Amino acid sequence: DQQVKQNSPSLSVQEGRISILNCDYTNSMFDYFLWYKKYPAEGPTFLISISSIKDKNEDGRFTVFLNKSAKHLSLHIVPSQPGDSAVYFCAAATSGTYKYIFGTGTRLKVLA
Amino acid sequence: GAGVSQTPSNKVTEKGKYVELRCDPISGHTALYWYRQSLGQGPEFLIYFQGTGAADDSGLPNDRFFAVRPEGSVSTLKIQRTERGDSAVYLCASRRSGGSYEQYFGPGTRLTVT
Repeated sequence: DQQVKQNSPSLSVQEGRISILNCDYTNSMFDYFLWYKKYPAEGPTFLISISSIKDKNEDGRFTVFLNKSAKHLSLHIVPSQPGDSAVYFCAAATSGTYKYIFGTGTRLKVLA
Repeated sequence: GAGVSQTPSNKVTEKGKYVELRCDPISGHTALYWYRQSLGQGPEFLIYFQGTGAADDSGLPNDRFFAVRPEGSVSTLKIQRTERGDSAVYLCASRRSGGSYEQYFGPGTRLTVT
């Protein structure tokens, strides 16, 4: 039972263009969402998060959008840079539990 | 400041042996998590400590897996009678309390059971 799904295992984008990574969830109790970036042989690194009381959160080149009715969130990276090439995971939690469920990840490749 | 550290970075063991994996969280972080990540998958929740006690151990797959955090800092994940299916990267993360959701991950321990 995959409660958090990232249906695109990989994505290639040209440098300077927008990267859009998608994530869907099934558990309506989730109300806090996070995105992590992972390079090979390293642990995941926190990127950006969003609470369900918001529908958008922005931090520099990274913006996360949340559509609660569709149970969908997306991470936008603008402009994409070669250093953004990594595996991106979305994670979801129910507030107060602090137990995180991760998606399977999307491998982003930014082409120079 | 120092991040989350995990030792060893790699561990190869024979089927049936016992292993211990260590996690040293960021100083002052009261919450500590263990995850398991298999190839092509996301981190899979195993157990979460708040202080010395396990707040949620619902992800431990069976009674061969056990984790402790006796002084509320360093944690050890213990796996008895290892099986080949236990081969994975074991990740540790810590989190500051007080409503913060942001976790900081260590580099992981790659466990290979032959």
